[in-house]
Amino acid sequence: QQQVKQSPQSLIVQKGGISIINCAYENTAFDYFPWYQQFPGKGPALLIAIRPDVSEKKEGRFTISFNKSAKQFSLHIMDSQPGDSATYFCAAFGQGAQKLVFGQGTRLTINP
Amino acid sequence: DSGVTQTPKHLITATGQRVTLRCSPRSGDLSVYWYQQSLDQGLQFLIQYYNGEERAKGNILERFSAQQFPDLHSELNLSSLELGDSALYFCASSVGDRDPYNEQFFGPGTRLTVL
Repeated sequence: QQQVKQSPQSLIVQKGGISIINCAYENTAFDYFPWYQQFPGKGPALLIAIRPDVSEKKEGRFTISFNKSAKQFSLHIMDSQPGDSATYFCAAFGQGAQKLVFGQGTRLTINP
Repeated sequence: DSGVTQTPKHLITATGQRVTLRCSPRSGDLSVYWYQQSLDQGLQFLIQYYNGEERAKGNILERFSAQQFPDLHSELNLSSLELGDSALYFCASSVGDRDPYNEQFFGPGTRLTVL
């Protein structure tokens, strides 16, 4: 119930394309869903986050879509650039769990 | 640069040994979190301290312990090391305690290799 399942494990997208990473959760007590971006040799950094009272949040080329009834959320990267090549983690937090639960990560490669 | 510092950057040791990882949070942050990142387990939350007190515990083994000192830096102690403990260990910090909307800022990590 504390798991967050993330797919795909790896993704290759051409420059200018749309990158889509999906996550699903079971625990309905989760109420905060951040996405983290991690470059090689660095720690994860918060990219964008959403709460379940909205279905979509957009920041620049990054958009989170949230489907509360399906218990799924996804990250869309529009006009993907080689600089977006990194590992992306979805996560979830609930007051009951008192901790961030991370997905397994997606290694994204943007080909020039 | 997140403002969170971790030392050492790399650590190579043998099975059965004990090591200490150190973390200094961002200035003003009172919470420190420890995470383990391995290839097969992903990012796993270990433990959180807030202003010197343990606040939340995750999948932390009994061989592992942590503490947060009065100057707010934290240490993660790993003992009786096994091959499977080889991983990246991240420290993160945030301003607050239980508020999930306080962003966690991650340090660069310590890569532990147990031979």
